[in-house]
Amino acid sequence: GAGVSQSPRYKVAKRGQDVALRCDPISGHVSLFWYQQALGQGPEFLTYFQNEAQLDKSGLPSDRFFAERPEGSVSTLKIQRTQQEDSAVYLCASSLRVHEQYFGPGTRLTVT
Amino acid sequence: DQQVKQNSPSLSVQEGRISILNCDYTNSMFDYFLWYKKYPAEGPTFLISISSIKDKNEDGRFTVFLNKSAKHLSLHIVPSQPGDSAVYFCAARWAGGTSYGKLTFGQGTILTVHP
Repeated sequence: GAGVSQSPRYKVAKRGQDVALRCDPISGHVSLFWYQQALGQGPEFLTYFQNEAQLDKSGLPSDRFFAERPEGSVSTLKIQRTQQEDSAVYLCASSLRVHEQYFGPGTRLTVT
Repeated sequence: DQQVKQNSPSLSVQEGRISILNCDYTNSMFDYFLWYKKYPAEGPTFLISISSIKDKNEDGRFTVFLNKSAKHLSLHIVPSQPGDSAVYFCAARWAGGTSYGKLTFGQGTILTVHP
């Protein structure tokens, strides 16, 4: 398909485990965003890439969160030593035109 | 500090009538406003947007109105259809800094359109 894809769609992790969430943006989209959506809330910004450069990581909640996009395409959000408060849906979005972001289906992370 | 607020958690309307979803913001640095629609287990889908220099944008059944002095925007859906039932998010784009394009979202409004 031509849309943004994310994997896995669902992830259950035991507290303390590391997880890696993958995002495949729309081909040719230079901008890539990660958002975190808690239950009943709107998405909250985590980090932003322009090609391979991470230009803003101000939304990452702690140093346990790390994101990369080494070749300017696929991106991975890694969470180390997961905690229960990390349980949320993690959304990836890509864009070509700045004011239209196309979202993937999200990865629902549950930390037990 | 909620910079974008949707004060109505839910809205219920009859098919064929108008749906009006409201959104308020506090930050005058926002330069673009967007509405997204979200179905369960899917990511948000872009619906319509408006630049801060305009006061109205229309696309088919969807119209967004912006009142800058009141820092308020609304989405009108006319006529409403059962397929419009979803969660609607208002979002605002940050005009400055290194994340030109970063979106700040409201909490969402659940719209239910009854046949």
